[in-house]
Amino acid sequence: QQQVKQSPQSLIVQKGGIPIINCAYENTAFDYFPWYQQFPGKGPALLIAIRPDVSEKKEGRFTISFNKSAKQFSLHIMDSQPGDSATYFCAASWPGSARQLTFGSGTQLTVLP
Amino acid sequence: DTGVSQDPRHKITKRGQNVTFRCDPISEHNRLYWYRQTLGQGPEFLTYFQNEAQLEKSRLLSDRFSAERPKGSFSTLEIQRTEQGDSAMYLCASSLAGPRELFFGEGSRLTVL
Repeated sequence: QQQVKQSPQSLIVQKGGIPIINCAYENTAFDYFPWYQQFPGKGPALLIAIRPDVSEKKEGRFTISFNKSAKQFSLHIMDSQPGDSATYFCAASWPGSARQLTFGSGTQLTVLP
Repeated sequence: DTGVSQDPRHKITKRGQNVTFRCDPISEHNRLYWYRQTLGQGPEFLTYFQNEAQLEKSRLLSDRFSAERPKGSFSTLEIQRTEQGDSAMYLCASSLAGPRELFFGEGSRLTVL
């Protein structure tokens, strides 16, 4: 019930393409859904986050779409660039209990020049 | 550099030895987290401190693992009698109370031979 399932495991797109990464969850107590970006040899860094009271959030080229009834959320990267090549993790947390994050298994994105 | 720092960045040890990792969080952050990340997986929560109090521990944290944050500033994670299955990246993160963003360090990679 605490899992966050992420797909696909890997994704290759051409520069300018729009990669989409999907996540699904079961625990309806989750109320915060961030996406983290991780480059090799680095720790994850927060990219964008959403709460379930909105269906979409945009920050620059990154957009989260949230479907509360389906318990799914996704990350879209507009006009993707080779510098976006990284591993992306969705995550979720629930009120109380230290607000610790439950992470998905990650998507390795490669943007070809 | 005012980010989260971890030391050592890499540790190679033989099975059965003890290892200790140190984390220095962002100075004003009162929450500190330890996560473990294995290859191809998302970070998994290990334990959480608010100031010097260890408030939550994952079931992943066996009796061989111990974490401290003696003065509410830096933290240490010790693994006793290491096993090959302990090989992973150990990530430290910190945050302020309230805001949800976790700031991760670059991690300490452990290899147990």
